[in-house]
Amino acid sequence: EAGVVQSPRYKIIEKKQPVAFWCNPISGHNTLYWYRQNLGQGPELLIRYENEEAVDDSQLPKDRFSAERLKGVDSTLKIQPAELGDSAVYLCASSFETGSSSLYEQYFGPGTRLTVT
Amino acid sequence: DQQVKQNSPSLSVQEGRISILNCDYTNSMFDYFLWYKKYPAEGPTFLISISSIKDKNEDGRFTVFLNKSAKHLSLHIVPSQPGDSAVYFCAASRYSGGYQKVTFGTGTKLQVIP
Repeated sequence: EAGVVQSPRYKIIEKKQPVAFWCNPISGHNTLYWYRQNLGQGPELLIRYENEEAVDDSQLPKDRFSAERLKGVDSTLKIQPAELGDSAVYLCASSFETGSSSLYEQYFGPGTRLTVT
Repeated sequence: DQQVKQNSPSLSVQEGRISILNCDYTNSMFDYFLWYKKYPAEGPTFLISISSIKDKNEDGRFTVFLNKSAKHLSLHIVPSQPGDSAVYFCAASRYSGGYQKVTFGTGTKLQVIP
């Protein structure tokens, strides 16, 4: 079974430029997460999707970040314009969740390492 | 506010010995606690979890212990193997907004020396 796929793996851009990341979750997984991991820190949630609906975007800096998950499968995360502080690894994770209060395993992709110069 | 803390950024252990990774948390409302393992250039992978109503969960060489009164959990790896060398993230989960919201610690880099 293929895991979570992310592209690109690495991206270097100048500040004020736009950038986009793509994620293809595990087939059949209805829930998709985007996390940001700063150097020396753990992943921090940016946005959570249930199918095509963003159900938790409270941590997404909406002035410059946007995300979409068309048709409830692939997702893109965009930053426009990028700032120096956006340098981080952006992780996508997916899971199959049935809506109870149970804990569901999240499967992570390898991440996109963004460097803003 | 760092709700999940891993105070040791790194740990070195000899192969065959026990590795003990520690984690502290501040929010008594967490329902589950998890450990993730991360190799370089890969995403974190789930290792083991424990419900807040238990104090121990074991899976092969990995055992997680939970001390709720101390708000402390630990991961024991026995025996440690070179392939266990990775960054280990402690995480805690709380049911909020209709789903289990996971908060990660900062990670502990484990090196198992052959």
